[in-house]
Amino acid sequence: KAGVTQTPRYLIKTRGQQVTLSCSPISGHRSVSWYQQTPGQGLQFLFEYFSETQRNKGNFPGRFSGRQFSNSRSEMNVSTLELGDSALYLCASRANTEAFFGQGTRLTVV
Amino acid sequence: GEDVEQSLFLSVREGDSSVINCTYTDSSSTYLYWYKQEPGAGLQLLTYIFSNMDMKQDQRLTVLLNKKDKHLSLRIADTQTGDSAIYFCAESTNGGFKTIFGAGTRLFVKA
Repeated sequence: KAGVTQTPRYLIKTRGQQVTLSCSPISGHRSVSWYQQTPGQGLQFLFEYFSETQRNKGNFPGRFSGRQFSNSRSEMNVSTLELGDSALYLCASRANTEAFFGQGTRLTVV
Repeated sequence: GEDVEQSLFLSVREGDSSVINCTYTDSSSTYLYWYKQEPGAGLQLLTYIFSNMDMKQDQRLTVLLNKKDKHLSLRIADTQTGDSAIYFCAESTNGGFKTIFGAGTRLFVKA
């Protein structure tokens, strides 16, 4: 069974641009969560989607948004990028208690 | 609010036991997790424990939970160089829909 797939793996963007990251969960998993990982802040919860609905949201500004499609694939979007948005963005899918993580998308904002 | 704290670094010699500690604040936590992250990789779930348990053992891993003190520990017996990684403690309620992570403990294993 294929794992969680995140694309792209690496991305370089300029301040002020916007970016869309994609996450394909494990087949059959309906819950997808997103996390931001930085050396200074550790792993911060962004949001969680289940059956196309956002169920939980972390403490991030409105520039961070997401959505989930009917096939459970999820995207997150960051608008008006700032240097501080440079991070590893991790997606996790779950069917029950155990979350399976993708390898992440490393975003660098210059 | 919810918070999970853990020490940032731990260094042990190969063959010794490693103990990584974690404290959390949310008394309604129902699941507590340990994840491992190797360089360039995502997080891998090592083990988890329900809040109504106080110990769980899985091969070289032993998890101890002191719910009164909100303290969780992970013991790795016979630590190997391949165990070098960052270990994250995490907690959640209601089956993990919103999981809060600690900052991670970087384990160094010296040969």
